Parts: sequence; C-alpha cells; structure tokens
Amino acid sequence: SQTIHQWPATLVQPVGSPLSLECTVEGTSNPNLYWYRQAAGRGLQLLFYSVGIGQISSEVPQNLSASRPQDRQFILSSKKLLLSDSGFYLCAWTLVQQGGELFFGEGSRLTVL
Amino acid sequence: GIQVEQSPPDLILQEGANSTLRCNFSDSVNNLQWFHQNPWGQLINLFYIPSGTKQNGRLSATTVATERYSLLYISSSQTTDSGVYFCAVERRGTSYGKLTFGQGTILTVHP
Repeated sequence: SQTIHQWPATLVQPVGSPLSLECTVEGTSNPNLYWYRQAAGRGLQLLFYSVGIGQISSEVPQNLSASRPQDRQFILSSKKLLLSDSGFYLCAWTLVQQGGELFFGEGSRLTVL
Repeated sequence: GIQVEQSPPDLILQEGANSTLRCNFSDSVNNLQWFHQNPWGQLINLFYIPSGTKQNGRLSATTVATERYSLLYISSSQTTDSGVYFCAVERRGTSYGKLTFGQGTILTVHP
C-alpha cells in the first residue's frame, strides 16, 4: 500500500534562516505531489504542485519554492524565512489514473521567531 | 475561484447524538472530499464523493452535484469524533489534486 512521510514534524527557526521540508511517497510511481499550508485559523491553501520530476507549478507568489528531484520526493524550501511563513505544512499525493483522490502526510509544524 | 462554505462553524454534541455537516460550493466540481483533522493535525480521508451517497460505519455522506452541496452525517457520535471536519472540492476544468478547502466545522463531543 502507499504511504507518505514528511519530516521534520516540528521546526522552530529564526527569521532570515533557510528552510527545507521533505516529503517522500512509497508504494507508487509517478504520483502528482502537492504542498499545502494551513495558517492560523482553519483553511488549507495550495502552495505548489508537481506532475513529474522537475515540473513545479506555483499557486501563490511567496517566499517559498519547491523542487522534485526524484519521482517520489518533494521538497519545500526557503532561503530566508519570514514571520508570516509560520504554519502547518502538509504534503499530499494523488494518482490521476485512480481518479484523483488526495492523500495527505502527517504535516510539518513550522514556527518562525 | 470556487467558493466553499461549511456550516455550522462550530458544533457541540453530547456523546450518542447525531449531526449533519453541510458544504456548499459555488461551481461545478470534478472531485469532493471530506476530511477529519485529528488533534495532531493529520488529515484523515473520510469520503471521496463527487456525487451520490456513501456510507462507512457511523458516517455517511451525500453529494448533490447539480445543486452544489454535500452533507456529512455522523450518527451515535463518540468523543473520538471530535476535531475539525473539512470539505474540499476540485473545480471542474482544473488539474487533479488542486483542492479548495472550506474553513471547516469544529466538532466537540462531550462524554
């Protein structure tokens, strides 16, 4: 069966420091991959998605970037964190050939001080 | 973009009670999913239901796509049902997985 893992689970970083969050999917190949963010409050917002290695689409202009160096690996990065980057970041995957149901990882909680 | 409205925003129940959560959306959709966010933040898939009715134990869901709403029913609620329930939709014509989330319903079930 397919599983998705994110790390680190919790991160406290100073303003201006770099960021790297990683996500790996196991048990499938050629998934679509996504980064969502849940800020204070409740709704989730799509940040980036990828349909293949090296293919990244950005939904919201911001201080963050994403990369997909391998088929099942998705990375969220920043060169210099802002206070407003604090939030709960969730990686997700789907298989188009299975109808597009989305499955989420455990999430990474980022606090920028 | 598509608008997703969930109601009620907050719901407090006594254990054993039944409840109905509603999700209204403003455009045609390819996909509609219901999630439960547990206290640790993880999003648990409840239903993938762009149309029709599905049941899973004490939970069931109905989506009436032509009228642009979905309902999540919770029967005989338990304290472990507490958490935030999200409806998320994928607007027709967009790529798979590009979900727009509602603001959620916070459910609290008291023993």
